[in-house]
Amino acid sequence: GAVVSQHPSRVICKSGTSVKIECRSLDFQATTMFWYRQFPKKSLMLMATSNEGSKATYEQGVEKDKFLINHASLTLSTLTVTSAHPEDSSFYICSARNSDGEETQYFGPGTRLLVL
Amino acid sequence: DAKTTQPPSMDCAEGRAANLPCNHSTISGNEYVYWYRQIHSQGPQYIIHGLKNNETNEMASLIITEDRKSSTLILPHATLRDTAVYYCIVKGYQKVTFGTGTKLQVIP
Repeated sequence: GAVVSQHPSRVICKSGTSVKIECRSLDFQATTMFWYRQFPKKSLMLMATSNEGSKATYEQGVEKDKFLINHASLTLSTLTVTSAHPEDSSFYICSARNSDGEETQYFGPGTRLLVL
Repeated sequence: DAKTTQPPSMDCAEGRAANLPCNHSTISGNEYVYWYRQIHSQGPQYIIHGLKNNETNEMASLIITEDRKSSTLILPHATLRDTAVYYCIVKGYQKVTFGTGTKLQVIP
């Protein structure tokens, strides 16, 4: 149990286009999901917290108009990188918090984005 | 969330137990100790968590000191597939924030 999926697993796009990444909790409902990005040989950096039915909370320094987050259901959150640039190339990872009393977070497999 | 301190790297011989330490001296009473690992180019994998009692599951054991200021993750029989970065995290009802973790290299 407690499986989180992401789609796509990797994507290549042209500079200036927008890319949508989906995060799904497959066997549990998640009122809260999180989006991270990771640069090579670095640790994960939290970008934003996504709550179902409300606006996402962004970490300091993360542009909310650049990284649009939608959490329309208890099993799906999406991250849209708008007007992507090469510096947005990174590994994006989502996680979902299981409301099991201890609030364990389970992570997706990640999406590798390359912007040309 | 309380801050954690882990050694940057460790080696372990295949088949031997891997003992990964973590210091969390500022942990508060309602914060859990979580362990995740990240194998190269994958998302973090949940391993185990505990509050104050020692815990064991099919993957590992977690030993938490009585004062809760430190803990040890034990992989009883390390295999090459256990080579990964291991993150020790302390959290209450908050998001998971990652430090730099311990890079465990299992050697044949």
